[in-house]
Amino acid sequence: AQTVTQSQPEMSVQEAETVTLSCTYDTSESNYYLFWYKQPPSRQMILVIRQEAYKQQNATENRFSVNFQKAAKSFSLKISDSQLGDTAMYFCAFMGFTSGTYKYIFGTGTRLKVLA
Amino acid sequence: NAGVTQTPKFQVLKTGQSMTLQCAQDMNHNSMYWYRQDPGMGLRLIYYSASEGTTDKGEVPNGYNVSRLNKREFSLRLESAAPSQTSVYFCASSEAATASYEQYFGPGTRLTVT
Repeated sequence: AQTVTQSQPEMSVQEAETVTLSCTYDTSESNYYLFWYKQPPSRQMILVIRQEAYKQQNATENRFSVNFQKAAKSFSLKISDSQLGDTAMYFCAFMGFTSGTYKYIFGTGTRLKVLA
Repeated sequence: NAGVTQTPKFQVLKTGQSMTLQCAQDMNHNSMYWYRQDPGMGLRLIYYSASEGTTDKGEVPNGYNVSRLNKREFSLRLESAAPSQTSVYFCASSEAATASYEQYFGPGTRLTVT
């Protein structure tokens, strides 16, 4: 069975600094997708970034980028120039194909606080 | 487009009461999901519907039932609520045909069972 592990329950970073959130996963599939979702205090889940496993190039979205290491099954999120609005819970998610359908597995989340 | 909507936003139940959480999406997505979110446990899949007319159990289905009423709507029913079902419930939808596989989430329902 697939698993997703986020080993950092809480992190903090100074405004304008860079922070990296860790995520590891376990799967026997060769093709899958990985996601980082942000959940601010409003509770709304928002997609931050997506990575397709067959693409070697790391995904980037403005200040957000990932370090995808397929062999190590690692998918970390780097936030550059952190802003107060980045304060949120961040979830790493894996999507694979099982029994003819696709399912998502979420990690337990990392609570990030950006300090002024 | 409203995206994914959920009702109600908050609910308090007594042990043994029943209720139905409603979810609707207007993005013409085939797949819909129900998750529960508990502190320190992330999002856990309760039930999902890969397409209209089909439903399947997820990781934590006990105590819940679902109905995929049509392509737009996917409801979650608690027949006899228990304090262990106190949680935040999220509905989500996605569409494989877009090849993005992004899940779109509703705003959540905070349920308290006393």
